[in-house]
Amino acid sequence: KAGVTQTPRYLIKTRGQQVTLSCSPISGHRSVSWYQQTPGQGLQFLFEYFSETQRNKGNFPGRFSGRQFSNSRSEMNVSTLELGDSALYLCASRPTSLETQYFGPGTRLLVL
Amino acid sequence: AQKITQTQPGMFVQEKEAVTLDCTYDTSDQSYGLFWYKQPSSGEMIFLIYQGSYDEQNATEGRYSLNFQKARKSANLVISASQLGDSAMYFCAMRQTTDSWGKLQFGAGTQVVVTP
Repeated sequence: KAGVTQTPRYLIKTRGQQVTLSCSPISGHRSVSWYQQTPGQGLQFLFEYFSETQRNKGNFPGRFSGRQFSNSRSEMNVSTLELGDSALYLCASRPTSLETQYFGPGTRLLVL
Repeated sequence: AQKITQTQPGMFVQEKEAVTLDCTYDTSDQSYGLFWYKQPSSGEMIFLIYQGSYDEQNATEGRYSLNFQKARKSANLVISASQLGDSAMYFCAMRQTTDSWGKLQFGAGTQVVVTP
């Protein structure tokens, strides 16, 4: 089975712009979670989607949003980018009956 | 507040030796899950091992084993026979009962460098 894929892998944006990141889960996985990783804050949970519904949300401002499509692919959007949004954004999927999450390679976002 | 603590920011290990990475956690839940992930410099998080709070036996996956001491709230990772490819950042993570299975809380990580 193919693993979790994320696009794009690298992204450079400027402050005030918005960005959309995409995640395709492992085939058959209906749960997709997003995490932000920065040197200062470490790994932080953003949100989880299951069957197109947001199940859980981390402590992030409303500028961070996401959605999931009927094929389980997920996107996250960050509006009005700030310098502090520069991070590695990781997506993970898991099968319905298990709690182990499998991560994608991540998208490295640099905000200038 | 519930949290994961990894007290070793970094360590050097000689090839073929065993290494233990420490992880303690804090939760009031009775049911929870504990995980270890490896993150090479490329950035991808690689799942290593899982331990459920009700599992009576310590989990093992090849060269990885999890030393689970529930009363002490510790879940240390043991890597046997270290290889050069084991050089990476290692994260301990926890899923709590009150949270969705899709939400993990991570420790700060331990950087492991394996030397020849």
